[in-house]
Amino acid sequence: QKEVEQDPGPLSVPEGAIVSLNCTYSNSAFQYFMWYRQYSRKGPELLMYTYSSGNKEDGRFTAQVDKSSKYISLFIRDSQPSDSATYLCAMSKGGSYIPTFGRGTSLIVHP
Amino acid sequence: DADVTQTPRNRITKTGKRIMLECSQTKGHDRMYWYRQDPGLGLRLIYYSFDVKDINKGEISDGYSVSRQAQAKFSLSLESAIPNQTALYFCATSDRGDSGRSAAFTDTQYFGPGTRLTVL
Repeated sequence: QKEVEQDPGPLSVPEGAIVSLNCTYSNSAFQYFMWYRQYSRKGPELLMYTYSSGNKEDGRFTAQVDKSSKYISLFIRDSQPSDSATYLCAMSKGGSYIPTFGRGTSLIVHP
Repeated sequence: DADVTQTPRNRITKTGKRIMLECSQTKGHDRMYWYRQDPGLGLRLIYYSFDVKDINKGEISDGYSVSRQAQAKFSLSLESAIPNQTALYFCATSDRGDSGRSAAFTDTQYFGPGTRLTVL
């Protein structure tokens, strides 16, 4: 079993929908939880990160961490076609440890 | 100009050939990484380097070698390419935790645009 599990999708939703992307993990030492966004033919870029448990909001995006369940989520409100991309979760122990990436979920937002 | 550049962007080669992929960065970061990305398998770490004199194997280093020529340059070599090395290859950089340049969170990886390698 991989340390970080993520459903590869694809997830197809209509424009304006609320999107929920999720990852589960097994290593309780993870402290930092990140979401990267990767557009087609591009490298991943950090979208958001959260330290420990709780929520963090940035515009239409909300990152949520539940350490007791070892479960993290990324919510996208009012999804747009420009949100179509692959979203990779990543986690690290902090202190500049190398992050462990999930497989990525392909999201398609259709007009 | 892009902070992390990779050359070539696309390469088609034949089984048994030696291939070098190059990465350069202008971010001033000490740490550099090579990943490969395959459909359904996500990003897998091949090698990483925390400074010019430091080279470490990642999850899938067999069949690959690296060279850290300078702080800004990190190259990946396939000594004898095989078809199952067909993949998208990414170089990435990150800051050192005590560099003083960044805020508390230092785990951000900055990726290059990728090299699409096909081995026939």
